[in-house]
Formats: sequence, structure tokens, C-alpha cells
Amino acid sequence: DAGVIQSPRHEVTEMGQEVTLRCKPISGHDYLFWYRQTMMRGLELLIYFNNNVPIDDSGMPEDRFSAKMPNASFSTLKIQPSEPRDSAVYFCASSYGLPQQYFGPGTRLTVT
Amino acid sequence: QKEVEQNSGPLSVPEGAIASLNCTYSDRGSQSFFWYRQYSGKSPELIMFIYSNGDKEDGRFTAQLNKASQYVSLLIRDSQPSDSATYLCAVNTVKGGGADGLTFGKGTHLIIQP
Repeated sequence: DAGVIQSPRHEVTEMGQEVTLRCKPISGHDYLFWYRQTMMRGLELLIYFNNNVPIDDSGMPEDRFSAKMPNASFSTLKIQPSEPRDSAVYFCASSYGLPQQYFGPGTRLTVT
Repeated sequence: QKEVEQNSGPLSVPEGAIASLNCTYSDRGSQSFFWYRQYSGKSPELIMFIYSNGDKEDGRFTAQLNKASQYVSLLIRDSQPSDSATYLCAVNTVKGGGADGLTFGKGTHLIIQP
């Protein structure tokens, strides 16, 4: 079975531009999580969905960040406008209703 | 605020020896405990999870949980150079029949010396 799929794998953009990251969870999984990893702060939860509904977005750093899950097989994380401090690796993870979570390969975002 | 603390390392262990990784957590409501392995430039990979006090063994890996002391550990027996990676400890407040976001430690960098 395919694992969690993320695109793009690398994104380089200029400050002020809009960035959209994409995630396809493992088929049948009903939870989807977005995390961000930096050297300074480690791996942090941004938001998660259950059955396409956002459950906890308390980790979203500010209004420039938004996430959607229009259906069970697709989610997006959007940053508008992007800033250099948003540079990080963004991971999507999914789960089938148990605490264990399975991570995608990540998107490395660089904002210049 | 939930916190998970790990020694950042590096922890250097000779090949064939036992590597011992430790983690403490602040939230007494934590119910599920996880160890993820992350190779440089790769995503976290789940290697062990534990819910109950005591030991849980899976091959060369043993997870140990002491809820009274708020302490989780991972033992790797017969360490191999391929075990060299960063090990992330994670916790959440859900035990089963649901999920919640994980709170991660910053990881311990393990080096297995051939």
C-alpha cells in the first residue's frame, strides 16, 4: 500500500508569495495531521482533522496559515503571505483512529 | 503546557552494545507513548509504542514506561551502525479508539560506532 504522499517535496519561494503544500493520507485513515519541524523548535503539531473536520488548530502559528481537507484523500496547508521564518520541513501524517501516526516524506520549504 | 524532554546527545555506543535512550514528560494525563526513528533528511518512522507501565519488547527494541516517574525509555540491544539516527519520543493523551496530536521531544542523536 502507498504511504502518505506529499507534494511538492521541495519548495523555494520569495517572501510575500503564497505557498500551498499538499497531502494525500493513507487510504482508509480517518485522521490527518500537519506538523512542522525546525532545528530550534523540533517537531510541532499545527492542526489535525478527523473525518475531514478540523479538530484542533491551536498550533497554527498565525492567520497567515490555513488548512483544508475537502475530502478524505486530500488536504492542503497554505501560507499567505510567506515569511523567511516559515522555512521548515512540513510533514503530513495520518492515522486510522488509533494513536499511532504514519508520516509522509515531508516538504522542505525555503522562503528567501 | 505539555513538554517532552530528551537529552539531545550525541549518544555514542559501540556496535553490539545496548543503547539506552530516555525521555521524561510533564503531562500526567499522557496515555500513549511512542518512539520514532528519524534518519537525516527523512521522515519520522514509528518503531515502538507503549500504553501500560512496564516493558514491551519487539525484536531488538524494548520500550519501558514508568507513569509514576513520568519516564519512558527505549533500549536497543545488539546495536548496529544502521541504528545511527535521531530518536524522537512522543506522547499524547489518547489510549485507543481515537487519536490526538503528538507532542514530541527534540530527539536524541544516537551514533553506533563500528
